[in-house]
Formats: sequence, structure tokens, C-alpha cells
Amino acid sequence: DAGVTQSPTHLIKTRGQQVTLRCSPISGHKSVSWYQQVLGQGPQFIFQYYEKEERGRGNFPDRFSARQFPNYSSELNVNALLLGDSALYLCASSLEGAGRQPQHFGDGTRLSIL
Amino acid sequence: AQRVTQPEKLLSVFKGAPVELKCNYSYSGSPELFWYVQYSRQRLQLLLRHISRESIKGFTADLNKGETSFHLKKPFAQEEDSAMYYCALSRNNNAGNMLTFGGGTRLMVKP
Repeated sequence: DAGVTQSPTHLIKTRGQQVTLRCSPISGHKSVSWYQQVLGQGPQFIFQYYEKEERGRGNFPDRFSARQFPNYSSELNVNALLLGDSALYLCASSLEGAGRQPQHFGDGTRLSIL
Repeated sequence: AQRVTQPEKLLSVFKGAPVELKCNYSYSGSPELFWYVQYSRQRLQLLLRHISRESIKGFTADLNKGETSFHLKKPFAQEEDSAMYYCALSRNNNAGNMLTFGGGTRLMVKP
């Protein structure tokens, strides 16, 4: 099993642009979560989806949006990029979206805003 | 609101010395606690969780609800334990398993 896969690996954008990040969960996992990790800090929760429904949303502006597809893959969209959006974006999957289910992380997409 | 605090950004020990990585949390409900580890150039991976009460790579962690702590311990550190360690909390219900992470502690084990 390849585990959680994310694309692209790296991305460079300029302020004001829009970006789409992609994630494929581990086969059989129905829940996908997104996290932002700024350099020197722990990951911060952005969104969780389970069975294509939004299960939770972190404290991020409306410029951030996400969706989950019928095959359980997911996209994270960020509009009107700011310098402060530069970070590592992590995707994690779990079997279900319940508290005791551990999450499995991908390698992340490193987003740099110029 | 839930919060996880790891008071040490960096912990440096010699090989064979005991290790304790501190984690304190605040949460009004019943939490699920996890330790994740990130070795150099590898992805974040689950090390252990309190519900399992198991020892992984010699590490153990006990949930102390009175002190709201979930410290990670190992009696004899090895050089291959050098990594970034994150403590994380999830709500113990079916409303989602999103994680709240601490800021992380970098463990350096010197030869």
C-alpha cells in the first residue's frame, strides 16, 4: 500500500493567486483531513471530510475550502493567497471519522508564496 | 476549546540515558491522546496512543487525567530515536477525529 499520497510535492505561487492541492487516502479509508504546518510549529487542523460530508472545520478564513470525491480523494483550495499561507499542507486519512481512529499522514505539499 | 502544550522545543540526551518528553493538555471532555513522530526526511507517523497501552520501540506513555498529562518515556535512549515528536489530542466521540497538536519537541540523542 502506497499510503496517503499528495500532489504536488512543491508549489510556488504569488500573492493573490489560487491553488489546489490533492490527496488520495489509503485504500479503504473514508475520512480525509487537512492540516497546515507552519515552520517551527505543530500541524493545525483545517478541514475534515467523511463520506463526502464536511465533518469539521478549523479556524481558517473562507479563502480555504475543500471537498471530497466519491472515490474518497480530496482537494484543498486556497484563494487570494497571502504570504502567510506559505506552509507545509498535510493530508491525513483514517478508516472513519471517529475519535479513536488514528490518522495516517502523507508527505505533504510545500507551498511557497512569493 | 482543546489545547496541547509541549513545553520543551529541544531535548538533548546522551545514548543510554532516560528520556521523558512532556505533554500537557486541556480539554473538558474525555480525550484520545496520541504521540506522533517524524524522523528526518520521513512523513509524520503514529508512534503510540493511550488507548492501546502498548510499548512501541521501547516508548511508553501513560495518560494522567488528574495532571492532564501524557508524557512519553523511554528508559534508554538510542541514537535512532532522534526525531521530532508531537503530542496530539482528539475528541473521544463520533463527531470527528481531528487532531489538536502540540508545538513538538525535537529529541537529539548524542553518541
